[in-house]
Amino acid sequence: GQQVMQIPQYQHVQEGEDFTTYCNSSTTLSNIQWYKQRPGGHPVFLIQLVKSGEVKKQKRLTFQFGEAKKNSSLHITATQTTDVGTYFCAGSLKGGNKLVFGAGTILRVKS
Amino acid sequence: DAGVIQSPRHEVTEMGQEVTLRCKPISGHDYLFWYRQTMMRGLELLIYFNNNVPIDDSGMPEDRFSAKMPNASFSTLKIQPSEPRDSAVYFCASKDRGSYTFGSGTRLTVV
Repeated sequence: GQQVMQIPQYQHVQEGEDFTTYCNSSTTLSNIQWYKQRPGGHPVFLIQLVKSGEVKKQKRLTFQFGEAKKNSSLHITATQTTDVGTYFCAGSLKGGNKLVFGAGTILRVKS
Repeated sequence: DAGVIQSPRHEVTEMGQEVTLRCKPISGHDYLFWYRQTMMRGLELLIYFNNNVPIDDSGMPEDRFSAKMPNASFSTLKIQPSEPRDSAVYFCASKDRGSYTFGSGTRLTVV
């Protein structure tokens, strides 16, 4: 079945350092979405990427979708303590309505 | 809009008891999803509905789990009988065309 792999599992950075999490799918995706879950909270939608090679930015966050639409990344520039949480990628197949979530990357930021 | 509403927020029950989790999706969203989140298995899709009709229940772990959506504004996930390994956070999410909106989840503990 469809699988979405995400690395690293965990990252602990110093405040001000950059952070990147990577997502890979075993199959070509229709789109990919990114979510953030704060400790004790629920996943909250960040962004959706649809086009091959697409790059989107939200302030310090940069999202990329690979040319083959099988991989994606989220990069945070100059992390802040408010960035703490788990970042999930989630992909869906063409014509599909269900998202398959990666295992998530837990980000901790030391101030 | 109040978002996706789940109840209860926390549930502690004894093994063998029946547990019913409830969800009210966002009005106008025609898809509803039930996810289970554990440390070991991450976010797992259990079942999803489109226009109140169950579309894919392949993620339901076993016959002890059942889900219903009697109308567009209400869904239940029932576990009967419950077992300690069912302990997890259960999320309900709804969507219309794009992103998912998750409820705050129900933290279930079966002792």
